[in-house]
Amino acid sequence: DVVMTQSPLSLPVTLGQPASISCRSSQSLVHSDGNTYLNWFQQRPGQSPRRLIYKVSNRDSGVPDRFSGSGSGTDFTLKISRVEAEDVGVYYCMQGTHWPPFTFGPGTKVDIK
Amino acid sequence: QVTLKESGPVLVKPTETLTLTCTVSGFSLSNARMGVSWIRQPPGKALEWLAHIFSNDEKSYSTSLKSRLTISKDTSKSQVVLTMTNMDPVDTATYYCARTLEYSSGWFGIDGNWGQGTLVTVSS
Repeated sequence: DVVMTQSPLSLPVTLGQPASISCRSSQSLVHSDGNTYLNWFQQRPGQSPRRLIYKVSNRDSGVPDRFSGSGSGTDFTLKISRVEAEDVGVYYCMQGTHWPPFTFGPGTKVDIK
Repeated sequence: QVTLKESGPVLVKPTETLTLTCTVSGFSLSNARMGVSWIRQPPGKALEWLAHIFSNDEKSYSTSLKSRLTISKDTSKSQVVLTMTNMDPVDTATYYCARTLEYSSGWFGIDGNWGQGTLVTVSS
């Protein structure tokens, strides 16, 4: 199974400042079809996970453009250009290239300083 | 509007079998471009994928839990059922169902449609 790691695991941020989360996979996530199936999910307190980004850098409908995803191979990043109060929660990366199984990272908790 | 809703017991005893139902609306379980996965999350911990079923009834399971899981569906009722045998307190978690969708490439992925989750506690 592909192992996903994230850093940091906890990220205190100042409102209006940028934030960045790193995600690494134990093997390349480039699929034989040429796509890289790396997603990012946001889980606000008490809510179900919400997909923000699919295939590394594609924002889901309704996701603010302050969220962006990048990366390739085994190294990926989620960036928030200017953190807002509603961005507090836990962020998970998930690989969908080598499934089954889908595998998630351990999560990064974002809160306000 | 796509919705998924999990239902099942709130409390189960150790060694019992858990049966959870995911009732979907806004899409059909016979749609070849869609499937349903189950994912769980112990309190304060990370997400863990459990099982998946395609429209053609093809099934996939977590490597570590495969011997305890069974996934099935009733297309006419728009329901996907997950059973987990020999429950243990470490299986205490919120259990989610989520839709999978075929990308233009033909590969499938978990999309943005998840249920609200159902918390299952395992305790005697």
